[in-house]
Amino acid sequence: GQSLEQPSEVTAVEGAIVQINCTYQTSGFYGLSWYQQHDGGAPTFLSYNALDGLEETGRFSSFLSRSDSYGYLLLQELQMKDSASYFCAVRDFPTTYSNYQLIWGAGTKLIIKP
Amino acid sequence: DAGITQSPRHKVTETGTPVTLRCHQTENHRYMYWYRQDPGHGLRLIHYSYGVKDTDKGEVSDGYSVSRSKTEDFLLTLESATSSQTSVYFCAISEDWGETQYFGPGTRLLVL
Repeated sequence: GQSLEQPSEVTAVEGAIVQINCTYQTSGFYGLSWYQQHDGGAPTFLSYNALDGLEETGRFSSFLSRSDSYGYLLLQELQMKDSASYFCAVRDFPTTYSNYQLIWGAGTKLIIKP
Repeated sequence: DAGITQSPRHKVTETGTPVTLRCHQTENHRYMYWYRQDPGHGLRLIHYSYGVKDTDKGEVSDGYSVSRSKTEDFLLTLESATSSQTSVYFCAISEDWGETQYFGPGTRLLVL
């Protein structure tokens, strides 16, 4: 079957660094995306990795290892506004239902303490 | 921000009634998606569209239908609402079948 595993909750301290892991099991793989969602809000795109390695965008970085079916999102210099849920998503092609859907993880709730 | 609106933003309805949710985009993106989000399940795809009048089923399509008569509008219909369809519904768009999807603000639906 197809699945993405990520921790349900992570707690960190303001100003620290936190890593949110995502492991996936899919029949195909075209890339790993990360989305952020604040409570009551809509998911917003953060980053995308199609190739192995680290992609950096400001305080956020995302890493992918295709051989390990593993990726992570790294958040540095944590701020209270980073308190949100973070979702990883994989485009799996082809699938039982369609060629154009993302497979989503259940999300990791990041709690930041002062 | 991508120009995506959803209407209504909140709705309370009774079991057995039909409900239609609307997604409107101003980005002229080809792909549009309807998701539902429930605690512990992340986002689950209901239906998607890859062009005008071109739609396909997603993971949880039973009890839902969609229509897309114009590029900018994608409608989701609950043919006969049930309490299990109480959820938050998100519309998303993407320019191509690449990974970046842009989401609307969501519709909170309560079926009594």
